[in-house]
Amino acid sequence: EAQVTQNPRYLITVTGKKLTVTCSQNMNHEYMSWYRQDPGLGLRQIYYSMNVEVTDKGDVPEGYKVSRKEKRNFPLILESPSPNQTSLYFCASSLAVGGNQPQHFGDGTRLSIL
Amino acid sequence: AQSVTQLGSHVSVSEGALVLLRCNYSSSVPPYLFWYVQYPNQGLQLLLKYTTGATLVKGINGFEAEFKKSETSFHLTKPSAHMSDAAEYFCAVSESDSWGKLQFGAGTQVVVTP
Repeated sequence: EAQVTQNPRYLITVTGKKLTVTCSQNMNHEYMSWYRQDPGLGLRQIYYSMNVEVTDKGDVPEGYKVSRKEKRNFPLILESPSPNQTSLYFCASSLAVGGNQPQHFGDGTRLSIL
Repeated sequence: AQSVTQLGSHVSVSEGALVLLRCNYSSSVPPYLFWYVQYPNQGLQLLLKYTTGATLVKGINGFEAEFKKSETSFHLTKPSAHMSDAAEYFCAVSESDSWGKLQFGAGTQVVVTP
């Protein structure tokens, strides 16, 4: 089944403890992206990647890191999480780079930073 | 910078009644337009998209949307609401010359009453 898989789905942790949210897609998609969803704000892009080893900042990159060493994986790293990073996170991918490409979303990761 | 406005954060409709969700965008160039639906505890799922061609676009689950360039709108409709339509709906815009960045509206929560 074609899908974007995120892990973990839920995580409660404490300020300053490094964490990684994994994202993997099995569709051989070129483009991958991370979003965070906050009430009343919709989804905002954190980082995106157009190909292996090519990543760039989105609208809200502060406090986050990403890497794209393999085409299928795009982990999101919070080196020193803070409470304002408590949010619902989504990974997405699309077949090609381009504004007309629909994006496929994972089921989300709910992070709570205490 | 482009922006997306969804009128009404919550909409309540009766089962069998018309569903109308409004989306307006600001963009200096003709954009690509998308509607996504989010069911509880799930990721976003593409309902429909407009890229080029016919301005009335049909999507899944009986939804359709019409691109009106003069009004910079892309409203979503369904003639007869079903209980299973209860979800959150997001309008999203991508610039036609972009690499794929989506700008999302804040979302509209749809409640369907019997």
